[in-house]
Amino acid sequence: DAGVTQSPTHLIKTRGQQVTLRCSPKSGHDTVSWYQQALGQGPQFIFQYYEEEERQRGNFPDRFSGHQFPNYSSELNVNALLLGDSALYLCASSFRDSRLPISYEQYFGPGTRLTVT
Amino acid sequence: LAKTTQPISMDSYEGQEVNITCSHNNIATNDYITWYQQFPSQGPRFIIQGYKTKVTNEVASLFIPADRKSSTLSLPRVSLSDTAVYYCLVGPNSGSARQLTFGSGTQLTVLP
Repeated sequence: DAGVTQSPTHLIKTRGQQVTLRCSPKSGHDTVSWYQQALGQGPQFIFQYYEEEERQRGNFPDRFSGHQFPNYSSELNVNALLLGDSALYLCASSFRDSRLPISYEQYFGPGTRLTVT
Repeated sequence: LAKTTQPISMDSYEGQEVNITCSHNNIATNDYITWYQQFPSQGPRFIIQGYKTKVTNEVASLFIPADRKSSTLSLPRVSLSDTAVYYCLVGPNSGSARQLTFGSGTQLTVLP
């Protein structure tokens, strides 16, 4: 059973460029969340996708956008990259079932290390 | 979302029990308490979740006093591989808001 996978592992971009990061959720999971983790800090929530729609959004500008596909995989797009966007981008998956008690157990991928120069 | 306060760092020795306390004075009635572990260059890993009293699994125990304004993660007999950052999170159990709000965490260093 594959866990959460992310690609690419590392990426170097120049200021002003655009980047797309990809995530495949754990088998059986239907919800994908994206987080940004700067060096020495905890992960910060960007947004969450369920049923191909953005359901929750953190305090991130519109330069950050996403998409979820019918197979539950997801993409994170960042436009007009800034130096401050350099971080580890984490994808987390979970299963949403309204019949079950709320769980904060999310499965994280290894992340994509983005460096903006 | 309730704000959490944890020690920045802790040191321990192999074989000892480690207790990491988190303060969450403004926790709401419907908030759950969750702990995550993160190793360098890896995504966080869920450890344990609780609402009140004590919760135990194969990895750790979580102690929550009656007023729920704090919680303590207990790791029995730590080993060098338990060196990691530990995050305490507090969040509601209602609706669809399952976003995780991480603080700065506690860097636990286990020494030989």
